[in-house]
Amino acid sequence: KAGVTQTPRYLIKTRGQQVTLSCSPISGHRSVSWYQQTPGQGLQFLFEYFSETQRNKGNFPGRFSGRQFSNSRSEMNVSTLELGDSALYLCASSLAGQGSSYTFGSGTRLTVV
Amino acid sequence: AQSVAQPEDQVNVAEGNPLTVKCTYSVSGNPYLFWYVQYPNRGLQFLLKYITGDNLVKGSYGFEAEFNKSQTSFHLKKPSALVSDSALYFCAVRDAWGRGGQNFVFGPGTRLSVLP
Repeated sequence: KAGVTQTPRYLIKTRGQQVTLSCSPISGHRSVSWYQQTPGQGLQFLFEYFSETQRNKGNFPGRFSGRQFSNSRSEMNVSTLELGDSALYLCASSLAGQGSSYTFGSGTRLTVV
Repeated sequence: AQSVAQPEDQVNVAEGNPLTVKCTYSVSGNPYLFWYVQYPNRGLQFLLKYITGDNLVKGSYGFEAEFNKSQTSFHLKKPSALVSDSALYFCAVRDAWGRGGQNFVFGPGTRLSVLP
């Protein structure tokens, strides 16, 4: 059974550019969540999608957006990149239900220069 | 709002000794509690969870955790540590009814170093 796949693994962008990250969940998982991980702030919740609808959103500026497709694959987009956006971006998928655990991808390491 | 505290940034233990990584939580309703482990340059891996039932939960790689409702704690334990257990450990909580959102709230993480 394939795990959660995130592409690309590494990315270097320049300030002001935009970036799109991709996440393919485990087959059958309809919930996809995104987290930003930095040494200073730890794991911060970005948003969750379920059946193509954003179900919950964290406290990030509007430059951070996402979407989910009918096959449950998800993308997140960051526009007008800032140096502080450098982080490991983690995608996690799960079955529906509060008792379900996440399965995480290996993440996309974004560096903004 | 949910929150998780992991009071120790770093835990050092000798190989073969028991280990404990501490976690306390705050949630308005009933908690669903989870432990995850992260190895360098990787995503988080699920270790175990408490949903309901027996307060002692057993998980992967010989880890277990004890849910204590009165102390709002969910400490991770292992009877005999291995060098390969060295990693970053995260405790996470979710409200059972989704109050405060569907998402997990993670603690800041505890770095476990097992010394040979």
